Amino acid sequence: LAKTTQPISMDSYEGQEVNITCSHNNIATNDYITWYQQFPSQGPRFIIQGYKTKVTNEVASLFIPADRKSSTLSLPRVSLSDTAVYYCLVGDTSWGNTPLVFGKGTRLSVIA
Amino acid sequence: EAQVTQNPRYLITVTGKKLTVTCSQNMNHEYMSWYRQDPGLGLRQIYYSMNVEVTDKGDVPEGYKVSRKEKRNFPLILESPSPNQTSLYFCASSSITTDTQYFGPGTRLTVL
Repeated sequence: LAKTTQPISMDSYEGQEVNITCSHNNIATNDYITWYQQFPSQGPRFIIQGYKTKVTNEVASLFIPADRKSSTLSLPRVSLSDTAVYYCLVGDTSWGNTPLVFGKGTRLSVIA
Repeated sequence: EAQVTQNPRYLITVTGKKLTVTCSQNMNHEYMSWYRQDPGLGLRQIYYSMNVEVTDKGDVPEGYKVSRKEKRNFPLILESPSPNQTSLYFCASSSITTDTQYFGPGTRLTVL
């Protein structure tokens, strides 16, 4: 599995856009990039997944450059309730492969 | 409602007293997994199962056992708990046709 590197923590004010970057220099051709969000004392929950270029859903956007060696999770206009740990996972999610392994994540603190 | 349930949610026990944490999912998922979460260490996988009667070690399997006799259940067994197994435990499941992992609410275990 490709190893990922993300910042340990980030701070942001309410209403700002937050970008969390994840490095995955050894990403393989079949690997997807997946992000999860975890609130204190709760299990992680899926946010977004992508392979290349840009993916957007109702929660976030995921930007993946052409070389795929990094990715950026973008949270628009964060609120206090977005304070959580965000995990970047990279791996081959096709049938027969074990699902992805979590790292230490990025702790986002949103300040009023 | 699609969900992963864990029991108990909180448990305080003493060293050496065997315990079982149950995990059940109602989504007919093939894949199930156990994680432990400790401050500063993120989520670490203990064991996982790709299907009934198929289990494999994760990153930190020492001191734990699992079984997968039915598709919906994946209990975590601590034969002789020790204080270093004090942690927050999460069970997760996913379908092999998608890769989104669904997490249970967590079990906070304290071993005295």
